[in-house]
Amino acid sequence: DGGITQSPKYLFRKEGQNVTLSCEQNLNHDAMYWYRQDPGQGLRLIYYSQIVNDFQKGDIAEGYSVSREKKESFPLTVTSAQKNPTAFYLCASSGGLRNEQFFGPGTRLTVL
Amino acid sequence: AQKITQTQPGMFVQEKEAVTLDCTYDTSDPSYGLFWYKQPSSGEMIFLIYQGSYDQQNATEGRYSLNFQKARKSANLVISASQLGDSAMYFCAMGPGLAAGNKLTFGGGTRVLVKP
Repeated sequence: DGGITQSPKYLFRKEGQNVTLSCEQNLNHDAMYWYRQDPGQGLRLIYYSQIVNDFQKGDIAEGYSVSREKKESFPLTVTSAQKNPTAFYLCASSGGLRNEQFFGPGTRLTVL
Repeated sequence: AQKITQTQPGMFVQEKEAVTLDCTYDTSDPSYGLFWYKQPSSGEMIFLIYQGSYDQQNATEGRYSLNFQKARKSANLVISASQLGDSAMYFCAMGPGLAAGNKLTFGGGTRVLVKP
């Protein structure tokens, strides 16, 4: 089955530590995205990538980093510079006829 | 810059009735796309329906239809014959037309609770 996987589903980290969230897709999509969602709010774009080895900052990129070494993978690192990292993180990819984005199940990150 | 506004934070609807979720947008781009997503309590975002700015007819997908009024810059979602499984958050989003790497701007969402 084609789709997007994110791991882990829940992640706990201590303040001051970097952590990497995984996102893999087998939809053969060129574009991939990372969003952050805070409780009761909409999604905000962190980073996106239109093609391998290229990515752009979204609206809230500070304190985050990404890489796109393979078409299928777009990992997000939440660095210690991110002041309030506790949130729900969603990964998406697009490439269909209408270019709608398909989302993974999300990772809930909690900083202790 | 693109902006999406959803003015209804939450709504109750009786099972089997229709419900309309409001969405207004602002953009200076002549070509754009409008999307609706459903987010159940599990957290995953589920694509529901798409409307292109140049589409002549309102989009429909099963029980979902989009009431697109371009002059008013509104793209309201209509869910007909509500079911208990429709209880979820609903997000309106827009992107700059059909192009690779289509960035989406999301509204704040509307929570729908279907009552039996």
